[in-house]
Amino acid sequence: GAVVSQHPSWVICKSGTSVKIECRSLDFQATTMFWYRQFPKQSLMLMATSNEGSKATYEQGVEKDKFLINHASLTLSTLTVTSAHPEDSSFYICSARAPGRAGAGELFFGEGSRLTVL
Amino acid sequence: AQTVTQSQPEMSVQEAETVTLSCTYDTSESDYYLFWYKQPPSRQMILVIRQEAYKQQNATENRFSVNFQKAAKSFSLKISDSQLGDAAMYFCAYRGNNNDMRFGAGTRLTVKP
Repeated sequence: GAVVSQHPSWVICKSGTSVKIECRSLDFQATTMFWYRQFPKQSLMLMATSNEGSKATYEQGVEKDKFLINHASLTLSTLTVTSAHPEDSSFYICSARAPGRAGAGELFFGEGSRLTVL
Repeated sequence: AQTVTQSQPEMSVQEAETVTLSCTYDTSESDYYLFWYKQPPSRQMILVIRQEAYKQQNATENRFSVNFQKAAKSFSLKISDSQLGDAAMYFCAYRGNNNDMRFGAGTRLTVKP
């Protein structure tokens, strides 16, 4: 199956700093990737859709200046949490759809990245 | 906007027994996909089963099967012969024409030995 990898798997940072999370499709090219946020014991909430070569599309209520998304290539999307605060602490998960598998409709998920802001 | 509702925050089943997890959704689209994902403590999302809306036949994957009722917008998951390894959070998900995926609140399944 298609493989999506995230890095780092966990990160601890000080309040006010910026943190970058990478999402890579290892064996396929992804024109579109999705970023989700998951609070403890809650569901996955879509934050934004990352489009290769163009601006990301953010969901209502998500601050685009705080959560910077860059989809610079067909295999890499990055999420940068700028000026992080404790309330940004969460589990961030990326996903992608593998081209050629449009009929399956399935999204492949990364392992997730746990961010803790002190 | 599409919404996915899972009305059972927690469910419990005895090992080797059968359990059904409920899911309903709301959409105005006619063509879409429905999924059940499993999230164990590792937090990795694992696809359990998928259903294309245009298919009337219910999907099955070994011990996992669904009851897809398109008119009622219902998509329940049945787990037969439950195993200890089935314990996890289960999320029902909808994917429509926008290609993004929307998730229900989840159901925590406990399997008792």
